[in-house]
Amino acid sequence: RKEVEQDPGPFNVPEGATVAFNCTYSNSASQSFFWYRQDCRKEPKLLMSVYSSGNEDGRFTAQLNRASQYISLLIRDSKLSDSATYLCVVNLPNFNKFYFGSGTKLNVKP
Amino acid sequence: EAQVTQNPRYLITVTGKKLTVTCSQNMNHEYMSWYRQDPGLGLRQIYYSMNVEVTDKGDVPEGYKVSRKEKRNFPLILESPSPNQTSLYFCASSPQGREETQYFGPGTRLLVL
Repeated sequence: RKEVEQDPGPFNVPEGATVAFNCTYSNSASQSFFWYRQDCRKEPKLLMSVYSSGNEDGRFTAQLNRASQYISLLIRDSKLSDSATYLCVVNLPNFNKFYFGSGTKLNVKP
Repeated sequence: EAQVTQNPRYLITVTGKKLTVTCSQNMNHEYMSWYRQDPGLGLRQIYYSMNVEVTDKGDVPEGYKVSRKEKRNFPLILESPSPNQTSLYFCASSPQGREETQYFGPGTRLLVL
């Protein structure tokens, strides 16, 4: 079983739509959670960390559900520039290892 | 400018010919890591280093070596490359790993014939 699983998509949405991605993780000892954005096989870049209380950054909201072992990313008012692949990342601090999901592709259409 | 650099960016080689991909960061980060990215599999961690002279295996270390003699450099060595090591490789660094953001290099596309 993969440590981190994501729906690969693609999610095709019109501009202005709200879209949500979920990511599940298998190890309950996971302590740190992140969403990264990756454009067209370029390097991943941090979008936001995910905190237990949930956090928001402009149009982006991330939430963590430890009981069900999933994290989510909500994008409101989608822009064309949001088109990318979104990677879910979890960290096992005892082992200093990071596990990436295979990514969810988002296409925002005019 | 704070950055992670990798060289070369593109490499075509043949089976068995030893190669090294360099990685350097100028942010004085303690944690550095190598990943490979393959379609449908996402990024998988090859090796990581918590500090100078401290390295450890990630999830897919077979066929790779690393060294961390200086804080800023973390080269990835393929002693005898094979076609299944054809991939996109990323180096990353973070202040101390664990809960912190990782900064990625631009990637190295490797083709092993």
